[in-house]
Amino acid sequence: AQSVAQPEDQVNVAEGNPLTVKCTYSVSGNPYLFWYVQYPNRGLQFLLKYITGDNLVKGSYGFEAEFNKSQTSFHLKKPSALVSDSALYFCAVRDGGATNKLIFGTGTLLAVQP
Amino acid sequence: DVKVTQSSRYLVKRTGEKVFLECVQDMDHENMFWYRQDPGLGLRLIYFSYDVKMKEKGDIPEGYSVSREKKERFSLILESASTNQTSMYLCASSLWAPSSGNTIYFGEGSWLTVV
Repeated sequence: AQSVAQPEDQVNVAEGNPLTVKCTYSVSGNPYLFWYVQYPNRGLQFLLKYITGDNLVKGSYGFEAEFNKSQTSFHLKKPSALVSDSALYFCAVRDGGATNKLIFGTGTLLAVQP
Repeated sequence: DVKVTQSSRYLVKRTGEKVFLECVQDMDHENMFWYRQDPGLGLRLIYFSYDVKMKEKGDIPEGYSVSREKKERFSLILESASTNQTSMYLCASSLWAPSSGNTIYFGEGSWLTVV
């Protein structure tokens, strides 16, 4: 079965420093991987996805993610964190089969200190 | 822009009540989903629908049902609300294209409290 793991419940980083939010996956076949962000009391907003092609995927708000097949990872990164990046981040993998449903990790809370 | 609208943001219902959560999308998407979000558990799929009047159970369908009479509307029904159904409910939609990773778009969520 497809699954993703987010090993860190919370990541703390100072404003201006680079940030990394980790995600590892387990899939059969080719992985379709996604990152979403959730601000307090809001729904999920799509950040970026990896389907095929370049291992470095660029997304919204200056975020990028690196697909690493050998390490089965899809870590989210940003070169310089902003206080406004503080939010809950979810990694997800598309389930197999004909539908498009996603399987989500448990989420990582990113706290950026001024 | 894709818009997924959940009509009720905050609801308080009593145990045993029948509860309807409504969701409408404006992008002619075939797929629609209902997820439940709880702290430490992430998002769990309750039901999804890939066409009008078609539905499939997700990972936690017990205590829920759904209705999709029109393509743009997907309703989640709690037949008899219980306190353990207090949660954030998220509706989502996407195009149906199994060979590509179509993006799933989410609504703003509905906070349901059952007392």
